[in-house]
Amino acid sequence: NAGVTQTPKFQVLKTGQSMTLQCAQDMNHEYMSWYRQDPGMGLRLIHYSVGAGITDQGEVPNGYNVSRSTTEDFPLRLLSAAPSQTSVYFCASSYSAGNTIYFGEGSWLTVV
Amino acid sequence: GDSVTQMEGPVTLSEEAFLTINCTYTATGYPSLFWYVQYPGEGLQLLLKATKADDKGSNKGFEATYRKETTSFHLEKGSVQVSDSAVYFCALRPLARGAGSYQLTFGKGTKLSVIP
Repeated sequence: NAGVTQTPKFQVLKTGQSMTLQCAQDMNHEYMSWYRQDPGMGLRLIHYSVGAGITDQGEVPNGYNVSRSTTEDFPLRLLSAAPSQTSVYFCASSYSAGNTIYFGEGSWLTVV
Repeated sequence: GDSVTQMEGPVTLSEEAFLTINCTYTATGYPSLFWYVQYPGEGLQLLLKATKADDKGSNKGFEATYRKETTSFHLEKGSVQVSDSAVYFCALRPLARGAGSYQLTFGKGTKLSVIP
């Protein structure tokens, strides 16, 4: 039972590089989202999707791009990495409103 | 907007001590309330939840009661173990239609260290 799978777990980027954090779930969840976790800030919502082809911005969307071409996958793209994007990123999913939200194990990203 | 405030850490306790981590919230209506735990180097795991006033969530010896009158959801455990060392996050999900009902608002987290 894979649940929510994120890759890579660790990544170091140089300023200006682009990359994609992958997120996949095998639970047929319609809702998926990305959060970032920073010290003393808790988790903040970056982008979310309520189904294939539907995405929207969360609290801190700048510098990130998402798409949802399938129910299973919800990649997060960093277009031009900046040191301020050094963070731990969590993908989450839920079957529907009111159901438990499940989190992936996190992706530790460092931008130098 | 919605917000969650939890006690600042870090909290250091001796094994078998009593634990309380305070959490209060601001939200309209009756949100669902959650405690998530993050063990060192790992992702977030749902610890317990409560979906309506006076509900008590419990798991692994931890408990929290949804108090509408004080807008609180304090986490308690009667006897902590070294293995409980982790960061604990209080969170809420609004009672709303559409996309808003999927989203969590988190507190800043409280780091707990339990020493033998």
